Amino acid sequence: ELKVEQNPLFLSMQEGKNYTIYCNYSTTSDRLYWYRQDPGKSLESLFVLLSNGAVKQEGRLMASLDTKARLSTLHITAAVHDLSATYFCAVDPYGNQFYFGTGTSLTVIP
Amino acid sequence: GAVVSQHPSRVICKSGTSVKIECRSLDFQATTMFWYRQFPKQSLMLMATSNEGSKATYEQGVEKDKFLINHASLTLSTLTVTSAHPEDSSFYICSARVAPTYNEQFFGPGTRLTVL
Repeated sequence: ELKVEQNPLFLSMQEGKNYTIYCNYSTTSDRLYWYRQDPGKSLESLFVLLSNGAVKQEGRLMASLDTKARLSTLHITAAVHDLSATYFCAVDPYGNQFYFGTGTSLTVIP
Repeated sequence: GAVVSQHPSRVICKSGTSVKIECRSLDFQATTMFWYRQFPKQSLMLMATSNEGSKATYEQGVEKDKFLINHASLTLSTLTVTSAHPEDSSFYICSARVAPTYNEQFFGPGTRLTVL
């Protein structure tokens, strides 16, 4: 059974601090996606990572992909309150459907 | 570009009634659409994959007769929850894929279903 695990599940961090969310998956996939979800809302696309070693940055968020380690990271730099949300990673190893991670609920405290 | 809409955004119905949710790709043709269900504080659960002009493929444990999916055109897929019961209350999200060789999915805004 394919598993996509995120760590941590819950994260409370102070404004201005840095932190990393990890996404591990159990089968080979060269496609990985990161999404943000606000309460009561649908998914907002953050990053599309399509190859080993891919790194993408947008504002205070940076995502990377290591297909050999089956690991993606979402790094948060100098967190601000607006980043409070739930973050999901998803892989598409077979090219026919997404497998979502467990989600990481992030709360940024002033 | 790549906008997906859902209608309605919220629906409240009585137990035993049927509810139809529409998913539309507004500015692209979607060969494949997906339907997800999300319970509070949980991840998305794939219910079914819908290809235009063919029967939907349901995930294990999803009742085909309960959740009817019709993908009538390259821009429209519908999910009908038949004889809804309170346990069907959930957040339903559709997504659409642009083409067979481009696997990114674009997500609709979701539909909150509450069955009384």
